[in-house]
Amino acid sequence: AQTVTQSQPEMSVQEAETVTLSCTYDTSESNYYLFWYKQPPSRQMILVIRQEAYKQQNATENRFSVNFQKAAKSFSLKISDSQLGDTAMYFCAFMKLEGAQKLVFGQGTRLTINP
Amino acid sequence: GAGVSQTPSNKVTEKGKYVELRCDPISGHTALYWYRQSLGQGPEFLIYFQGTGAADDSGLPNDRFFAVRPEGSVSTLKIQRTERGDSAVYLCASSLFRGNEQYFGPGTRLTVT
Repeated sequence: AQTVTQSQPEMSVQEAETVTLSCTYDTSESNYYLFWYKQPPSRQMILVIRQEAYKQQNATENRFSVNFQKAAKSFSLKISDSQLGDTAMYFCAFMKLEGAQKLVFGQGTRLTINP
Repeated sequence: GAGVSQTPSNKVTEKGKYVELRCDPISGHTALYWYRQSLGQGPEFLIYFQGTGAADDSGLPNDRFFAVRPEGSVSTLKIQRTERGDSAVYLCASSLFRGNEQYFGPGTRLTVT
């Protein structure tokens, strides 16, 4: 079974700073997807960024980028020029390519951006 | 277009009662997932539908939980003889087909008193 671990329960930074959220995972699969989801107080999970394991290049989406280290099974999220609207819970998630393709989530990191 | 919707937004019920939670996926999405999110935790998979059939129900905690999707669109999660431990946010997600991005609804917060 796959497991996802987020070791930072809470983080807090000032607006415009850069912040990095950590995630490690355990799997015996060679092909899979990794995701970062954002969950604001409205509860709706929003996809932030996605990484295919077969791609060596790290994914980027505007201010969001990842550092994917496949051998180390590490998948961190970097948020540049943080904004007040980035305040939310952030979840790292794993999906293997076979079967139901269900998401396996970490415990989450509560990120607060201070003005 | 409309996203995934879930009703009710909040549900309070007494221990031992029966509840139904509804999910309306994005039109045309064939894959539908239910997850349960306990307080302070990440969501956990419950069940996956491909079309009308439950292709994977390995996450259902016990036989008090059941879900249907009779016409391949709307899904209902049914919980019998509710227990206080069932209190959680129940999230629904749909995707165009298996393997595509999952779009989540706002969830139903179930509180069992």
